Order: sequence, then C-alpha cells, then structure tokens
Amino acid sequence: GAGVSQSPSNKVTEKGKDVELRCDPISGHTALYWYRQRLGQGLEFLIYFQGNSAPDKSGLPSDRFSAERTGESVSTLTIQRTQQEDSAVYLCASSQRQGNGQPQHFGDGTRLSIL
Amino acid sequence: DAKTTQPPSMDCAEGRAANLPCNHSTISGNEYVYWYRQIHSQGPQYIIHGLKNNETNEMASLIITEDRKSSTLILPHATLRDTAVYYCIVRPLITQGGSEKLVFGKGTKLTVNP
Repeated sequence: GAGVSQSPSNKVTEKGKDVELRCDPISGHTALYWYRQRLGQGLEFLIYFQGNSAPDKSGLPSDRFSAERTGESVSTLTIQRTQQEDSAVYLCASSQRQGNGQPQHFGDGTRLSIL
Repeated sequence: DAKTTQPPSMDCAEGRAANLPCNHSTISGNEYVYWYRQIHSQGPQYIIHGLKNNETNEMASLIITEDRKSSTLILPHATLRDTAVYYCIVRPLITQGGSEKLVFGKGTKLTVNP
C-alpha cells in the first residue's frame, strides 16, 4: 500500500523567500507529525495533528514556521522569510489513532536548501 | 532528551545475527520500546515495538529484559542493506498532549560488512 508521501523531494530557494512543503499521510491515519533533521543530527519534533484536536505546536522553532492540516488528510508546512539555518530535511510521519502504541510511519522527507 | 542509551557504532558480518543493545533504565510502566532505523537519505523506518513481552516480526526480534531496563534488537541474518542508524525510543502507551512525539537520540550506526 501507499506510504507517507512528501513533496517536493528537494527544494532550493533563496534566503528570505517563503516555502511550502506538503505531506500526504497514509490513508486512514488520523495522527500526523512534522519533524526536522539537520545534517548529521537527530530528528527534532515540530508539530503534531490529531483529528479535530488543537495541534501541538510546541516544537515550532519560531513564528516563521506554521502548519495546517485539512481534516485527516494533507498537511502543509510553511516557512516564511527563510534563513540559512532552516536548511534541513523536513520529515512527515503519520499513525493510526494514538492510545494503543501505534507506530509512526515516515515519508522520505523534503530536503530544503537555503542559499 | 532521549531516555535511552545506545552504543554509537557496531559492526556485523553479512549473514550473521546483529544484536543491538539499548539501555532504558528509567522506563516507566506505561512506556513502550520502539525501534526505528534510518538508511542514508531516507526517512526513519519503523521496525518493531514492545511493552513487556518479547516480540518478533518479519524484520527483527525484540528481547526486553524482565525488569524492562534494557532491550536488544536482533536482526537474525544481517545483509548489506541493513547498514543504517538504529534508534531505540521509549514512548508512553497512553499519550496525552505533547507526549505523542518520538524523541530520537543518536542511535547506533550499524555497518554490515561483506
């Protein structure tokens, strides 16, 4: 079956530009997560969506970062006025409803490079 | 901060079993142990998870000690494609706001040699 799909796979943009990254979760998965992975580093949690509940935004590094999710489907992560330190791989994961130890399944990420 | 400790690197011969240890001495009674791996330029791949009992699936086996303070991931017949960074993560069974995220440590870089 289809896994988590992210687009674009690579994005190069100039400092100061806005970027929008897309995530299509596995069908039927109600929970969706965004993580960031800088070169040679571990994953950093950014934001979590679960159904109609208020998202957990505790990991967003600044107000330049925002994310939306329409129902239980596609999510977009937007970075405004990009900076060079935003260069990283942005990973999306989805899982079935939480509460029973359901594992998260990841996409292959969007590699973002800020010039 | 990650609640697990893993060796930074390990080597294994192709065809042999790879045994990857993880220490989680502060694990709580309601926390699962999850294993993921990340192959270069790919997203993390879920391998297996368990609470108390040993678990086995098509990818690996998970052995959890009786006191649950440590566990071992076993790849029974390692191949070159199993070369990756392996992450051991603990996470609550019943999650509430803010704790659903996975906290990745540095993991173990497993190199399978021909």
